[in-house]
Amino acid sequence: DGGITQSPKYLFRKEGQNVTLSCEQNLNHDAMYWYRQDPGQGLRLIYYSQIVNDFQKGDIAEGYSVSREKKESFPLTVTSAQKNPTAFYLCATQDRAMSTDTQYFGPGTRLTVL
Amino acid sequence: GDSVTQMEGPVTLSEEAFLTINCTYTATGYPSLFWYVQYPGEGLQLLLKATKADDKGSNKGFEATYRKETTSFHLEKGSVQVSDSAVYFCALSPPGGSNYKLTFGKGTLLTVNP
Repeated sequence: DGGITQSPKYLFRKEGQNVTLSCEQNLNHDAMYWYRQDPGQGLRLIYYSQIVNDFQKGDIAEGYSVSREKKESFPLTVTSAQKNPTAFYLCATQDRAMSTDTQYFGPGTRLTVL
Repeated sequence: GDSVTQMEGPVTLSEEAFLTINCTYTATGYPSLFWYVQYPGEGLQLLLKATKADDKGSNKGFEATYRKETTSFHLEKGSVQVSDSAVYFCALSPPGGSNYKLTFGKGTLLTVNP
């Protein structure tokens, strides 16, 4: 079954903890993206990766880190430096080999800081 | 920089009413334009897209026409259903090159009552 999976669906974090959100895809897409969604603010880009072992900061990268060791996986770590991490996090992929600019989204992870 | 402006919601309609959600953009050249839909608690799904001026994207009864002269990409549907209740996002991708970053509007919540 092809697609994008994100886990967990819900995540709770205590103040001062780092947490890692998983994003896995079997679409064989080169590019992967992480967005943050807050009510009434649309989506904002955190990090993106166009190829394995390479990634770039988006518009709101502070307090976040990523890795891209495999084409299929692009985990996002929310560090304790992120002061307001409660949000809905969305992972997306894009098939750059087909020169298409369409992005496909996973189901999201809702992170809540207790 | 690039930007997308959507009409603010929420929009509340009765079933079978006509829907218009306005979207205008600011960008250089000819960006690709998208409408995404987000159902409650889920990720974004691509609804339709258009890649050049005067193109009309359509899907599931929804339509939008790429108007370069008015820099607009308004979403329309002739007869909405309760199942269309969702948040709708307009987005753009810059033309050509290696930059496929999407810029999103803030989203418009649509509620359709029976």
